[in-house]
Amino acid sequence: DAGVIQSPRHEVTEMGQEVTLRCKPISGHDYLFWYRQTMMRGLELLIYFNNNVPIDDSGMPEDRFSAKMPNASFSTLKIQPSEPRDSAVYFCASSFRTAILSNQPQHFGDGTRLSIL
Amino acid sequence: RKEVEQDPGPFNVPEGATVAFNCTYSNSASQSFFWYRQDCRKEPKLLMSVYSSGNEDGRFTAQLNRASQYISLLIRDSKLSDSATYLCVVKKMDSSYKLIFGSGTRLLVRP
Repeated sequence: DAGVIQSPRHEVTEMGQEVTLRCKPISGHDYLFWYRQTMMRGLELLIYFNNNVPIDDSGMPEDRFSAKMPNASFSTLKIQPSEPRDSAVYFCASSFRTAILSNQPQHFGDGTRLSIL
Repeated sequence: RKEVEQDPGPFNVPEGATVAFNCTYSNSASQSFFWYRQDCRKEPKLLMSVYSSGNEDGRFTAQLNRASQYISLLIRDSKLSDSATYLCVVKKMDSSYKLIFGSGTRLLVRP
């Protein structure tokens, strides 16, 4: 079975540019999570969706960040304009509701390594 | 104060050693507890859930102390392949499905 698929794997861009990260969750999973990982702050939840609806975006750092889930098989995380402090690894994860209730794992994608120059 | 705190390490141990990590959490309403493993430049993966009665999976033993709000992971007979970062994770007892990750403890197992 295909796991969570993220693209691109690596992104290097100049500050001020728009960055779009993409995620395809595991088919049938109804929860999707976006995380950011840095050395300083570790792994932080940015936003999560249930059935394509954003449930909690309290982790989104500021208005420059936005996330959408137009359908069950696709989500984007957009940063506009990007800044050097946005440099991090961004992970997408997905899960079943019942899996969450039974303490089964969230399945993570390989991540996108983002560098803003 | 962070909700989940871990010693960042690194713990540098020889093959065959026993090593233990601790983790403390600040929210007494935390409901579920996990250890995730993250290899260098890879994604986190669930290692094991942690139950109040303690649980074992092969060489790995997890313990939970709710009164003191800490979680432990014990690795026996460590292997080179155990080298990784171990993330302590908690989930609150509420309607959200948010996981709170610790910053991780790095383990290096040397030959």
